[in-house]
Amino acid sequence: GAVVSQHPSRVICKSGTSVKIECRSLDFQATTMFWYRQFPKQSLMLMATSNEGSKATYEQGVEKDKFLINHASLTLSTLTVTSAHPEDSSFYICSARGRGQVKETQYFGPGTRLLVL
Amino acid sequence: DQQVKQNSPSLSVQEGRISILNCDYTNSMFDYFLWYKKYPAEGPTFLISISSIKDKNEDGRFTVFLNKSAKHLSLHIVPSQPGDSAVYFCAASRSNFGNEKLTFGTGTRLTIIP
Repeated sequence: GAVVSQHPSRVICKSGTSVKIECRSLDFQATTMFWYRQFPKQSLMLMATSNEGSKATYEQGVEKDKFLINHASLTLSTLTVTSAHPEDSSFYICSARGRGQVKETQYFGPGTRLLVL
Repeated sequence: DQQVKQNSPSLSVQEGRISILNCDYTNSMFDYFLWYKKYPAEGPTFLISISSIKDKNEDGRFTVFLNKSAKHLSLHIVPSQPGDSAVYFCAASRSNFGNEKLTFGTGTRLTIIP
């Protein structure tokens, strides 16, 4: 199957700093990318959907000014957690899908664990 | 409001026996369901799916059953193998196309005992 990578896999930062997480599709053009967050013992929750070249669509309750998403190319999307706080500590995972693809071909990255001190 | 529920956080099954993972949903608008498998330090990978027009879909050792009236689906793995040890997520959607989002359950950790 297709490969989606995330970088970094783990990050620890101080409260108030910003953290950028990269999501790359390695062998296909990802016209749509999704960002999820998973808290311990909870399900993957969709944060936002981004289509290449356009603004991301955020789910209800997700602050777009705090979680900045950029999908500038067909192989790269970034999530920036601005002014991170301890409650933002979570597991962030992206997924990517090509044009016209069905959900079975939505490929997930390995995730990034963020710890805010 | 958890619309997709996996009530068993963990399950242990002897190698060679059948593993049955369960999933319940509350939103009657869901009409497409998927199962994902996740190994540690890797992203979830697609396993098998089923549309609401069917009540069963089979792929090798994996079979998914859907009971629409009960809003319940299950994943059967037979025979279970040690490589099946992973976390299994159930997900639901209102459509298989477009940007209809996936709503995930909390996962069930399956351990296959050799």
